[in-house]
Amino acid sequence: DTGVSQNPRHKITKRGQNVTFRCDPISEHNRLYWYRQTLGQGPEFLTYFQNEAQLEKSRLLSDRFSAERPKGSFSTLEIQRTEQGDSAMYLCASSYSYEQYFGPGTRLTVT
Amino acid sequence: AQRVTQPEKLLSVFKGAPVELKCNYSYSGSPELFWYVQYSRQRLQLLLRHISRESIKGFTADLNKGETSFHLKKPFAQEEDSAMYYCALTVGYGKLTFGQGTILTVHP
Repeated sequence: DTGVSQNPRHKITKRGQNVTFRCDPISEHNRLYWYRQTLGQGPEFLTYFQNEAQLEKSRLLSDRFSAERPKGSFSTLEIQRTEQGDSAMYLCASSYSYEQYFGPGTRLTVT
Repeated sequence: AQRVTQPEKLLSVFKGAPVELKCNYSYSGSPELFWYVQYSRQRLQLLLRHISRESIKGFTADLNKGETSFHLKKPFAQEEDSAMYYCALTVGYGKLTFGQGTILTVHP
């Protein structure tokens, strides 16, 4: 287990299309987090799971965004009807204590 | 509401000089404070956690609850310290709230 992995690493899509990203956490970590990062800004929290339960969602997470973590293992983040403002780096992190370990991110470009 | 402020977007020093990256936070309770670092083309990684009181790669950070600060310091900067540094706060096991980050450049 070499750490948190995310796929795909890059995604280019046209406005209005749906996209789905996957995050595989470190295997013994029960908490999983999604963040979004735009240029020149620090990561902003989107949502997090403890096992399969989604415990918190940010107000940033509009109705077009949905996240799942079936069986408390990997997680998916889906964005429906993408908009140009969704272009960003989407980061996943996992933890079993206070420290969160980050994946490499998925860079989304909406054209 | 939780907030983290890093007042300097850019910080440049020469190799061997001391460096201090500032971080101020606002939260009424007892948060956990962290410094994360992102080297070029690498993922975000944890550098320091305040409760561990460790020195990592020569960096230290002291939590000052009176001034609500958690500044990162290193007495002698090295070129390999050049990176983006983020200060972050969490309460319990929940979300991290990040500052905007400081780009540190260490010149030879």
